[in-house]
Amino acid sequence: NAGVTQTPKFRVLKTGQSMTLLCAQDMNHEYMYWYRQDPGMGLRLIHYSVGEGTTAKGEVPDGYNVSRLKKQNFLLGLESAAPSQTSVYFCASSRGPFGLAGERGEQYFGPGTRLTVT
Amino acid sequence: RKEVEQDPGPFNVPEGATVAFNCTYSNSASQSFFWYRQDCRKEPKLLMSVYSSGNEDGRFTAQLNRASQYISLLIRDSKLSDSATYLCVVPSGGSYIPTFGRGTSLIVHP
Repeated sequence: NAGVTQTPKFRVLKTGQSMTLLCAQDMNHEYMYWYRQDPGMGLRLIHYSVGEGTTAKGEVPDGYNVSRLKKQNFLLGLESAAPSQTSVYFCASSRGPFGLAGERGEQYFGPGTRLTVT
Repeated sequence: RKEVEQDPGPFNVPEGATVAFNCTYSNSASQSFFWYRQDCRKEPKLLMSVYSSGNEDGRFTAQLNRASQYISLLIRDSKLSDSATYLCVVPSGGSYIPTFGRGTSLIVHP
C-alpha cells in the first residue's frame, strides 16, 4: 500500500515549456486535491476533484489544468510554464468530503514535486 | 480578514516546556478544524481534528472557541522531535474545501 505517490519528484523547466505532474493513490479515495506551497504562503488549493471524471477550481487555478480520468489518478498540467509557477506541488486525497462533521477529513499527502521554472 | 490566520513564529522553547499556538478563522459556519504537522521539506500529516469543544491526544490538546472563532494547539512536555511547522486547516465557505493557514514554526531546543 503505497498511499499517495507523485511523479516526478523534481523538475526544472524553461519558461514556456509544458509538463504534467502525476498523482496516484491506491486507497480508493473519492476526493483528490492539488496544492502549491510557496515560502511564507502556506498551502493554496489549485484544483480538486470529488470523483472520477470531475474537476473544480480552487483558490489559484490560473495557468493550470487538471484531469481525473481514472479514480486513482489526478493529473496537473502546466501548458506554458512561468517563473511564478516555481513552487512545491503537493497532491492529496481523502475518503470523503473534507471537514464533514463526524467524518474524518484526513487528507493523505504525497511527498511533493519541486518545480523550478527559469 | 484572512480566512485562516496563524502567527508564523518561530516559537523557540526548551525541552519540557509547554507551548500553545492559536489559529483564528473567519467562517463562523465551520464545523470542523484540523491541525497538521509539516516537517522541513516534507508533506503535511494530520496531527489532530476538532469537531466539538476540544480533543486531547497524549501531550497534545486542541481546543475550539467558537465565540471568538479560534482554535488552539497546546503541546505539553515539548520534545526535540516536536520541532516542525504546525498548520491549521479549516473548511472554507459553505463547502468542504480546505483552507490552510500559513503555519506556525516551533523550534524545541535542548
